[in-house]
Amino acid sequence: GAVVSQHPSWVICKSGTSVKIECRSLDFQATTMFWYRQFPKQSLMLMATSNEGSKATYEQGVEKDKFLINHASLTLSTLTVTSAHPEDSSFYICSARGLFSSYNEQFFGPGTRLTVL
Amino acid sequence: KQEVTQIPAALSVPEGENLVLNCSFTDSAIYNLQWFRQDPGKGLTSLLLIQSSQREQTSGRLNASLDKSSGRSTLYIAASQPGDSATYLCAVYDDYKLSFGAGTTVTVRA
Repeated sequence: GAVVSQHPSWVICKSGTSVKIECRSLDFQATTMFWYRQFPKQSLMLMATSNEGSKATYEQGVEKDKFLINHASLTLSTLTVTSAHPEDSSFYICSARGLFSSYNEQFFGPGTRLTVL
Repeated sequence: KQEVTQIPAALSVPEGENLVLNCSFTDSAIYNLQWFRQDPGKGLTSLLLIQSSQREQTSGRLNASLDKSSGRSTLYIAASQPGDSATYLCAVYDDYKLSFGAGTTVTVRA
């Protein structure tokens, strides 16, 4: 149980285009979803937290107009990188927490590798 | 703001040796602490989650200890194998937020 998927697993796009990444909780309802990014050989940094039906809460330094987050249902959250540039190239990982989550545990997706040319 | 530090950043050991990975955090008012494994280019695999009221958790060859008062956790991996080669991340729960350390990259030599 507690499986989280991400799609796509990798994407290459041209500079200036927008890219959407999906995060789904497959076997539970996710009341809260989290988006992280990870640069090579660095740790995960929390970008934003989203609750179903509410606006996302962004961490300091994360541009909300650049990284659009939608959490329209209890099983799906999307991250859209708008007007992507090479510096947005990174590994994006989502996690989800459900009502059943003991001890606030988050369950992680497999990540999406974004490369912007 | 919670700061999580992992030392060493990298570790190389011969097969069969025991591994000791260290994690320290600055704010002891944590909910839980979790250890993850990350293979190159992959997502996170949860290894152990220690509740704030616990002192240790064990799973197979893995044992993790937690000392909240000193802000430390240690992950022990017994009788290491080449398949244990990966990056190990320590993460601390402050209420709903997770703060990650930079990880320890382990190489187990056959």
